[in-house]
Amino acid sequence: AQTVTQSQPEMSVQEAETVTLSCTYDTSESNYYLFWYKQPPSGQMILVIRQEAYKQQNATENRFSVNFQKAAKSFSLKISDSQLGDTAMYFCAFIHDLITGGGNKLTFGTGTQLKVEL
Amino acid sequence: ETGVTQTPRHLVMGMTNKKSLKCEQHLGHNAMYWYKQSAKKPLELMFVYNFKEQTENNSVPSRFSPECPNSSHLFLHLHTLQPEDSALYLCASSQHTQGATYGYTFGSGTRLTVV
Repeated sequence: AQTVTQSQPEMSVQEAETVTLSCTYDTSESNYYLFWYKQPPSGQMILVIRQEAYKQQNATENRFSVNFQKAAKSFSLKISDSQLGDTAMYFCAFIHDLITGGGNKLTFGTGTQLKVEL
Repeated sequence: ETGVTQTPRHLVMGMTNKKSLKCEQHLGHNAMYWYKQSAKKPLELMFVYNFKEQTENNSVPSRFSPECPNSSHLFLHLHTLQPEDSALYLCASSQHTQGATYGYTFGSGTRLTVV
């Protein structure tokens, strides 16, 4: 079974600075997909960014980018020019490539609480 | 608003009560999910429904009873709950099979408190 590990329970960053959140995962599969979700205090999980494991190019979405290291099974999220609205819990998540089998189950890490400060 | 609506947003119930959580999506998705989120614990997948059929039950106690009457609606019926069942219950939907690899769309959750 795959596992997702986020070793940083809490982090803080000054507004306008850059912060990196870490995530590692474990799987025996070669094709899979990785995600970062953001959960603000309202509770809703919002998809931030998605990475396909068979693509070497790191995904980017505006101020959000990832550093995907497949051999190391590492998937970190970089937030540039941090804003107060980025304060939230961030979850790393994993799903198999369903063509190769396995159920459509999204597995989450324990989350990193990010606080952006003035 | 993401397209997945959960009601109620907050629920307080006694251990002998019976209540239901509702989830509705109009995204054309055909897979729906219930997750439980407790403080300081990973999100726990409870149930998976594909095309109205339950395809996953992660050893959830029988005091939680899901129902999926169609691909757009998902319910979680609750009865004789315990205080440790207090948590945020999140509903999500996705396309079935390979479409799920684009990620799930989540509702805002129901904050449940069992007293």
